[in-house]
Amino acid sequence: EAGVTQFPSHSVIEKGQTVTLRCDPISGHDNLYWYRRVMGKEIKFLLHFVKESKQDESGMPNNRFLAERTGGTYSTLKVQPAELEDSGVYFCASSQETRGQSDTQYFGPGTRLTVL
Amino acid sequence: AQSVSQHNHHVILSEAASLELGCNYSYGGTVNLFWYVQYPGQHLQLLLKYFSGDPLVKGIKGFEAEFIKSKFSFNLRKPSVQWSDTAEYFCAVKAGTALIFGKGTTLSVSS
Repeated sequence: EAGVTQFPSHSVIEKGQTVTLRCDPISGHDNLYWYRRVMGKEIKFLLHFVKESKQDESGMPNNRFLAERTGGTYSTLKVQPAELEDSGVYFCASSQETRGQSDTQYFGPGTRLTVL
Repeated sequence: AQSVSQHNHHVILSEAASLELGCNYSYGGTVNLFWYVQYPGQHLQLLLKYFSGDPLVKGIKGFEAEFIKSKFSFNLRKPSVQWSDTAEYFCAVKAGTALIFGKGTTLSVSS
């Protein structure tokens, strides 16, 4: 079974540019999550999709971040315009359920974003 | 506020030494607890999880963790570490559907 995949693995952009990160969850997982780890800090929740619907976007830092999951399959996270403080590793995770033993979140390898 | 505290930022051990990584959480709801590990160059992997029942949870690669409700703790243990256990370890509590992570503990094992 293929795991969660993310693209690109690393992105270097200049302040003010736009970057789009992509996540492909495990097949059949309706739940998709985005997290971010800024250097030296803890991994922080950004948002949660159930299929194509945003269930919880309480962790999104501001309106420069836009997440979509059209068709309920892969998801994109766009940062526009990027700022220096957006640098970090962006993780995607997916799960089959949100309760019980099957709600384990499986993580992708992350996208390292560097804003210069 | 919900939070997870990992006491040690960096732990250095020799092979065969015993390991205990501390984790304390602050959360008022039903507690689901996790330990994840990130080996160098790899993605986050689940080591073990606690949902209910036996507070002593066994995970992969010989790791175990004990949920002590009265102490709000979920410490990770391994009786004898190996060089291959060198990694960063994250404790997390599930709040709603989101995971709240600690800052992580880097474990370095020398052979």
